[in-house]
Amino acid sequence: EVQLMESGGGLVQPGGFLRLSCAVSGFTLSTNAMTWVRQAPGKGLECVSVISGSGDTFYADSVKGRFTISRDNSGNTLSLLMETLRAEDTAVYYCVGHGAGSFWGQGTLVTVSS
Amino acid sequence: QAVVTQEPSLTVSPGGTVTLTCGSSTGGVTSGHYPYWIQQKPGQAPRTLIYDTTNKHSWTPARFSGSLLGGKAALTLSGAQPEDEAEYYCLVSYNSARFFGGGTKLTVL
Repeated sequence: EVQLMESGGGLVQPGGFLRLSCAVSGFTLSTNAMTWVRQAPGKGLECVSVISGSGDTFYADSVKGRFTISRDNSGNTLSLLMETLRAEDTAVYYCVGHGAGSFWGQGTLVTVSS
Repeated sequence: QAVVTQEPSLTVSPGGTVTLTCGSSTGGVTSGHYPYWIQQKPGQAPRTLIYDTTNKHSWTPARFSGSLLGGKAALTLSGAQPEDEAEYYCLVSYNSARFFGGGTKLTVL
């Protein structure tokens, strides 16, 4: 059974940073694409960042230069380092694994506020 | 970056059939865009119903099907149930880049 579990969310001040993690089981991180998706309160889904099986990365324009996606294949963990955070980064962040289909975690809430 | 378009809202009668569509600002949506359809109910995490245009997960009810229709990805619900009332998002891939549509709020009434 595929399971994804996000952690690392919380309250942070504008300009601060957070590192989100996604622990993956039942799924091979190293050979499959992984995505971070966020959902601001009352809004739709936004693809924030993608890392392909080959390591290619994609970032939404809204986070380019501030967020960094990475993976630890041995630990089967996906990470998202978020720096220079802004109020508009406030959202629930989901980790999604793409293999034969796609599998979602339950999300972690990030709140950027002073 | 690409803009993915969906109907903002649709209504279907219980037992009825409805088709949701997903278009792209860059041209027609094809199987090469590996379109996904994602369902989200209030207060719940999203879940994928359809991937790579037509493929279903084990949890996808048989009444949902995916296809390509007139240059768009399509999600057809045949025999709508009250529990199908939800927000539906399509996800389109452009190489490593991925973009969601704005979502379709489906009401079963």
